[in-house]
Amino acid sequence: SQTIHQWPATLVQPVGSPLSLECTVEGTSNPNLYWYRQAAGRGLQLLFYSVGIGQISSEVPQNLSASRPQDRQFILSSKKLLLSDSGFYLCAWSLNRLQPQHFGDGTRLSIL
Amino acid sequence: AQTVTQSQPEMSVQEAETVTLSCTYDTSESDYYLFWYKQPPSRQMILVIRQEAYKQQNATENRFSVNFQKAAKSFSLKISDSQLGDAAMYFCAYRITENQFYFGTGTSLTVIP
Repeated sequence: SQTIHQWPATLVQPVGSPLSLECTVEGTSNPNLYWYRQAAGRGLQLLFYSVGIGQISSEVPQNLSASRPQDRQFILSSKKLLLSDSGFYLCAWSLNRLQPQHFGDGTRLSIL
Repeated sequence: AQTVTQSQPEMSVQEAETVTLSCTYDTSESDYYLFWYKQPPSRQMILVIRQEAYKQQNATENRFSVNFQKAAKSFSLKISDSQLGDAAMYFCAYRITENQFYFGTGTSLTVIP
Protein backbone atom coordinates (compact mmCIF):
# COMPACT_ATOMS: atom_id res chain seq x y z
CA SER A 1 0.00 0.00 0.00
CA GLN A 2 1.04 3.56 -0.55
CA THR A 3 2.19 5.76 2.29
CA ILE A 4 3.34 9.33 2.54
CA HIS A 5 5.77 10.63 5.11
CA GLN A 6 6.23 14.25 5.95
CA TRP A 7 8.61 15.75 8.50
CA PRO A 8 9.16 17.40 10.79
CA ALA A 9 5.73 17.51 12.42
CA THR A 10 6.46 20.78 14.18
CA LEU A 11 9.08 23.42 13.51
CA VAL A 12 9.84 26.73 15.18
CA GLN A 13 12.22 28.95 13.26
CA PRO A 14 13.44 32.54 13.61
CA VAL A 15 12.76 35.11 10.92
CA GLY A 16 15.46 35.06 8.28
CA SER A 17 16.47 31.45 8.85
CA PRO A 18 16.37 28.81 6.08
CA LEU A 19 13.74 26.11 5.75
CA SER A 20 13.64 22.56 4.48
CA LEU A 21 10.56 20.39 4.75
CA GLU A 22 10.70 16.94 3.31
CA CYS A 23 8.06 14.62 1.94
CA THR A 24 8.46 11.10 0.62
CA VAL A 25 6.00 8.66 -0.87
CA GLU A 26 6.30 4.90 -0.77
CA GLY A 27 4.52 2.18 -2.66
CA THR A 28 3.95 3.95 -5.95
CA SER A 29 5.92 5.26 -8.91
CA ASN A 30 5.86 8.59 -10.67
CA PRO A 31 3.26 10.19 -8.44
CA ASN A 32 2.13 13.77 -8.81
CA LEU A 33 3.32 15.63 -5.74
CA TYR A 34 1.94 18.76 -4.11
CA TRP A 35 2.75 21.25 -1.39
CA TYR A 36 -0.11 23.12 0.26
CA ARG A 37 -0.27 25.75 2.96
CA GLN A 38 -3.20 26.00 5.28
CA ALA A 39 -3.55 29.25 7.18
CA ALA A 40 -5.57 29.27 10.39
CA GLY A 41 -9.31 29.09 9.69
CA ARG A 42 -8.82 28.77 5.97
CA GLY A 43 -8.77 26.15 3.27
CA LEU A 44 -5.75 24.88 1.45
CA GLN A 45 -3.66 26.98 -0.87
CA LEU A 46 -1.66 25.10 -3.48
CA LEU A 47 1.97 26.26 -3.46
CA PHE A 48 3.78 23.86 -5.79
CA TYR A 49 3.09 20.75 -7.75
CA SER A 50 5.31 18.33 -9.63
CA VAL A 51 4.53 15.74 -12.28
CA GLY A 52 8.06 14.34 -12.43
CA ILE A 53 11.68 14.60 -11.29
CA GLY A 54 12.95 18.13 -11.66
CA GLN A 55 9.55 19.38 -12.88
CA ILE A 56 8.17 21.99 -10.52
CA SER A 57 5.30 24.38 -11.10
CA SER A 58 4.63 27.27 -8.79
CA GLU A 59 1.10 28.41 -8.20
CA VAL A 60 1.78 31.38 -5.99
CA PRO A 61 4.83 33.66 -6.20
CA GLN A 62 6.40 33.81 -2.79
CA ASN A 63 9.40 33.33 -0.60
CA LEU A 64 9.36 29.56 -0.97
CA SER A 65 10.72 27.10 -3.50
CA ALA A 66 10.33 23.39 -4.12
CA SER A 67 12.49 20.66 -5.55
CA ARG A 68 12.03 17.07 -6.56
CA PRO A 69 15.44 15.39 -6.58
CA GLN A 70 14.00 11.88 -6.71
CA ASP A 71 10.81 10.36 -8.05
CA ARG A 72 9.15 10.08 -4.66
CA GLN A 73 10.79 12.94 -2.79
CA PHE A 74 9.48 16.46 -2.64
CA ILE A 75 11.19 19.22 -0.70
CA LEU A 76 9.89 22.64 0.29
CA SER A 77 12.57 25.23 0.98
CA SER A 78 13.22 28.82 1.77
CA LYS A 79 16.48 30.75 2.02
CA LYS A 80 15.06 33.34 4.44
CA LEU A 81 11.80 32.80 6.26
CA LEU A 82 9.31 35.61 6.77
CA LEU A 83 6.74 35.95 9.54
CA SER A 84 4.05 35.44 6.90
CA ASP A 85 5.43 31.97 6.16
CA SER A 86 3.91 30.66 9.39
CA GLY A 87 1.23 28.07 8.84
CA PHE A 88 0.43 24.44 8.42
CA TYR A 89 2.09 22.81 5.43
CA LEU A 90 0.73 19.69 3.83
CA CYS A 91 2.33 17.44 1.26
CA ALA A 92 0.09 15.32 -0.95
CA TRP A 93 0.33 12.85 -3.78
CA SER A 94 -1.96 11.45 -6.43
CA LEU A 95 -1.57 9.25 -9.48
CA ASN A 96 -3.59 11.37 -11.87
CA ARG A 97 -6.45 13.78 -12.01
CA LEU A 98 -8.97 10.95 -11.73
CA GLN A 99 -7.69 10.03 -8.31
CA PRO A 100 -8.03 11.92 -5.06
CA GLN A 101 -5.04 13.41 -3.34
CA HIS A 102 -3.60 11.66 -0.31
CA PHE A 103 -2.09 13.86 2.33
CA GLY A 104 0.77 13.61 4.76
CA ASP A 105 0.35 14.46 8.43
CA GLY A 106 1.49 18.04 7.93
CA THR A 107 4.11 20.33 9.41
CA ARG A 108 3.18 23.15 11.72
CA LEU A 109 5.64 25.95 11.06
CA SER A 110 5.93 28.84 13.49
CA ILE A 111 8.14 31.81 12.71
CA LEU A 112 9.38 33.90 15.61
CA ALA B 1 -13.15 32.03 -11.46
CA GLN B 2 -12.95 28.64 -9.89
CA THR B 3 -14.28 28.77 -6.33
CA VAL B 4 -15.68 26.53 -3.65
CA THR B 5 -18.05 27.93 -1.04
CA GLN B 6 -18.89 26.34 2.25
CA SER B 7 -21.42 28.68 3.79
CA GLN B 8 -21.49 27.02 7.21
CA PRO B 9 -18.31 27.79 9.17
CA GLU B 10 -19.61 25.75 12.10
CA MET B 11 -22.20 23.03 12.52
CA SER B 12 -23.23 20.81 15.40
CA VAL B 13 -25.12 17.57 15.57
CA GLN B 14 -26.37 15.34 18.33
CA GLU B 15 -24.73 11.95 18.48
CA ALA B 16 -26.65 9.37 16.38
CA GLU B 17 -28.45 12.11 14.46
CA THR B 18 -27.99 13.18 10.84
CA VAL B 19 -26.29 16.34 9.63
CA THR B 20 -25.82 17.84 6.19
CA LEU B 21 -22.89 20.05 5.26
CA SER B 22 -23.38 22.29 2.27
CA CYS B 23 -20.98 23.07 -0.54
CA THR B 24 -21.37 24.99 -3.77
CA TYR B 25 -18.78 25.54 -6.42
CA ASP B 26 -18.31 27.54 -9.53
CA THR B 27 -16.68 26.21 -12.66
CA SER B 28 -17.18 26.43 -16.38
CA GLU B 29 -15.80 22.93 -16.86
CA SER B 30 -18.08 19.96 -17.48
CA ASP B 31 -15.65 17.23 -16.48
CA TYR B 32 -14.37 17.36 -12.93
CA TYR B 33 -14.25 15.45 -9.69
CA LEU B 34 -15.63 16.38 -6.30
CA PHE B 35 -14.35 15.39 -2.90
CA TRP B 36 -15.05 15.75 0.77
CA TYR B 37 -12.09 15.64 3.12
CA LYS B 38 -12.11 15.40 6.89
CA GLN B 39 -9.44 17.04 9.03
CA PRO B 40 -9.61 15.98 12.70
CA PRO B 41 -7.66 17.78 15.43
CA SER B 42 -4.63 15.71 14.45
CA ARG B 43 -4.69 17.86 11.26
CA GLN B 44 -4.32 14.90 8.91
CA MET B 45 -6.46 15.30 5.78
CA ILE B 46 -8.54 12.19 5.23
CA LEU B 47 -10.60 11.50 2.13
CA VAL B 48 -14.23 10.87 3.06
CA ILE B 49 -15.98 10.49 -0.25
CA ARG B 50 -15.64 11.41 -3.92
CA GLN B 51 -17.96 11.93 -6.85
CA GLU B 52 -17.32 12.01 -10.57
CA ALA B 53 -19.21 14.86 -12.20
CA TYR B 54 -20.28 12.70 -15.13
CA LYS B 55 -22.06 10.27 -12.82
CA GLN B 56 -25.63 11.08 -11.89
CA GLN B 57 -25.77 8.59 -9.06
CA ASN B 58 -24.84 10.05 -5.71
CA ALA B 59 -21.81 8.50 -4.06
CA THR B 60 -22.21 6.65 -0.77
CA GLU B 61 -19.58 5.47 1.65
CA ASN B 62 -21.04 3.77 4.71
CA ARG B 63 -22.61 6.54 6.84
CA PHE B 64 -21.50 9.24 4.43
CA SER B 65 -23.40 10.18 1.30
CA VAL B 66 -23.56 13.13 -1.02
CA ASN B 67 -26.32 15.02 -2.76
CA PHE B 68 -24.79 16.08 -6.06
CA GLN B 69 -26.77 18.59 -8.08
CA LYS B 70 -24.67 19.34 -11.13
CA ALA B 71 -26.93 21.99 -12.62
CA ALA B 72 -27.03 23.83 -9.32
CA LYS B 73 -23.30 23.19 -8.74
CA SER B 74 -24.07 21.86 -5.31
CA PHE B 75 -22.33 19.03 -3.51
CA SER B 76 -23.57 18.50 0.03
CA LEU B 77 -22.37 15.85 2.46
CA LYS B 78 -24.78 13.95 4.66
CA ILE B 79 -23.49 12.16 7.73
CA SER B 80 -25.93 9.66 9.19
CA ASP B 81 -25.84 8.20 12.69
CA SER B 82 -23.21 10.75 13.72
CA GLN B 83 -20.43 9.53 15.98
CA LEU B 84 -18.08 11.37 18.29
CA GLY B 85 -15.23 10.51 15.96
CA ASP B 86 -16.91 12.45 13.18
CA ALA B 87 -16.01 15.71 14.91
CA ALA B 88 -13.59 17.47 12.59
CA MET B 89 -13.18 20.19 10.00
CA TYR B 90 -14.73 19.13 6.71
CA PHE B 91 -13.47 20.47 3.41
CA CYS B 92 -15.23 20.32 0.10
CA ALA B 93 -13.00 20.29 -2.97
CA TYR B 94 -13.12 19.78 -6.70
CA ARG B 95 -10.51 18.91 -9.23
CA ILE B 96 -10.22 19.63 -12.94
CA THR B 97 -6.65 18.88 -13.91
CA GLU B 98 -3.48 17.73 -12.18
CA ASN B 99 -2.91 21.05 -10.51
CA GLN B 100 -6.38 22.56 -10.48
CA PHE B 101 -7.57 21.34 -7.14
CA TYR B 102 -9.76 23.83 -5.26
CA PHE B 103 -10.74 23.67 -1.62
CA GLY B 104 -13.44 25.42 0.37
CA THR B 105 -12.69 27.15 3.66
CA GLY B 106 -14.15 24.32 5.69
CA THR B 107 -16.98 23.57 8.09
CA SER B 108 -16.18 22.74 11.68
CA LEU B 109 -18.44 19.93 12.87
CA THR B 110 -19.08 19.37 16.56
CA VAL B 111 -20.75 16.18 17.71
CA ILE B 112 -22.67 16.52 20.97
CA PRO B 113 -22.80 13.41 23.11
